[in-house]
Order: sequence, then structure tokens, then C-alpha cells
Amino acid sequence: GNSVTQMEGPVTLSEEAFLTINCTYTATGYPSLFWYVQYPGEGLQLLLKATKADDKGSNKGFEATYRKETTSFHLEKGSVQVSDSAVYFCALDGGATNKLIFGTGTLLAVQP
Amino acid sequence: DTGVSQNPRHKITKRGQNVTFRCDPISEHNRLYWYRQTLGQGPEFLTYFQNEAQLEKSRLLSDRFSAERPKGSFSTLEIQRTEQGDSAMYLCASAREVGFLGPQETQYFGPGTRLLVL
Repeated sequence: GNSVTQMEGPVTLSEEAFLTINCTYTATGYPSLFWYVQYPGEGLQLLLKATKADDKGSNKGFEATYRKETTSFHLEKGSVQVSDSAVYFCALDGGATNKLIFGTGTLLAVQP
Repeated sequence: DTGVSQNPRHKITKRGQNVTFRCDPISEHNRLYWYRQTLGQGPEFLTYFQNEAQLEKSRLLSDRFSAERPKGSFSTLEIQRTEQGDSAMYLCASAREVGFLGPQETQYFGPGTRLLVL
């Protein structure tokens, strides 16, 4: 069945460092891919998405490219800020109902 | 657009009691989803409504769980005879379908209801 695997955390970085959070997926068909973010004490928010191969999703300085050949959707940001500290979830939508299938989440801690 | 709301935000109950959670989706969103998130894990799909019809249920949804969406507006999730293993964050999300068999728009999540079963 469909599944998402993302790198385990926590990831601890200094402010202005480069961020990569790896995400790979297994799916039948051509799912859309998503990154959601969960800030402390808040609900899930969509960060970015890509709906087909080679699409690049971007938002707030974060980027991820839908790579069908490597079944990956890695999240990157060139210069992280303390305010980026949160849990990041990679997800895909599966089936006729478009239910989301999430990875386990990666905690990012950015230190000043 | 007031977003997806969920009530209560927190619930503490004793094992064996029944609990009910409510989700109010974004108005005009015809798709509604329930997910469960345990500590350190990503959300897991529980069930899906399109308008008032419950079209998919996960194997995670045991017979003690029931969900409804009367009139295709708000939804309730009831857990009967709660067990300690039911302790989790219960998330609701809604989305708008774009055309017949078309892609849906983004799923918007509510803040969740955190359940603790003692």
C-alpha cells in the first residue's frame, strides 16, 4: 500500500543554516505530495504541495521538488530561522477519497 | 473564512466512559476527514465523509467508534467504552472538491481534540 518515510529527528540547526529533511514515498498511481508543519501548540498547516512529477512546491523560503524517478520529495530551506522550529510532516494523498497518508514527522529545532 | 473548529479542545475521561467530539468544517467544504495522531507519530486516517455520506472507514476505526455528518455540515466522532489506548489527538480536516472526479483543494485542519483516558 501507499506509505511515506521521512528522516527521523530531531534535527538541530543553528540560525541561517541550510535545511534538508528527506522524504520518500511508495505509491500506486500519481499522488499529490505535501509538506505540512505543526508549530508548538498549534494545528497542522499546509506548507507546500506538488501535484505532478517535476513540480516544485515553495512557500516561506521552503522548497520541495516531486521526483518520480527517486520517489522523493525532500524539503529544503537555504537559511532557517528560530521561528521555523516545528514538526514537519511529509504526506501523500491516496485513493479516490484523497485521504492523506503521513510520515512520522521530523522535529526541527533552530538555535539562535 | 473562520477555519475548521473542533470542540472540546481537551477531554479527560475515565476508562469505560463514552466521549463525543465535534468538528465544524469550513463552510461549503463538502469533504470532511477524521484523523488520529498519537505522540511522536504522524496523523492516521480514520474516516471520510463526502457531504453526509460516510464513504470510507479505516480498519483503525473499531466498532466502538462511530462518526456522523448529518446534513453534510458539522460532524461528530463518538468513542464508546473508551480504553487507555484511545488516548490521542483527534484531528478533523475539510476540503472542497473541484469538479466531478476532479482533484480536491487543500485539506485544512482544525486544532484537534486531545483525549486522555485514565
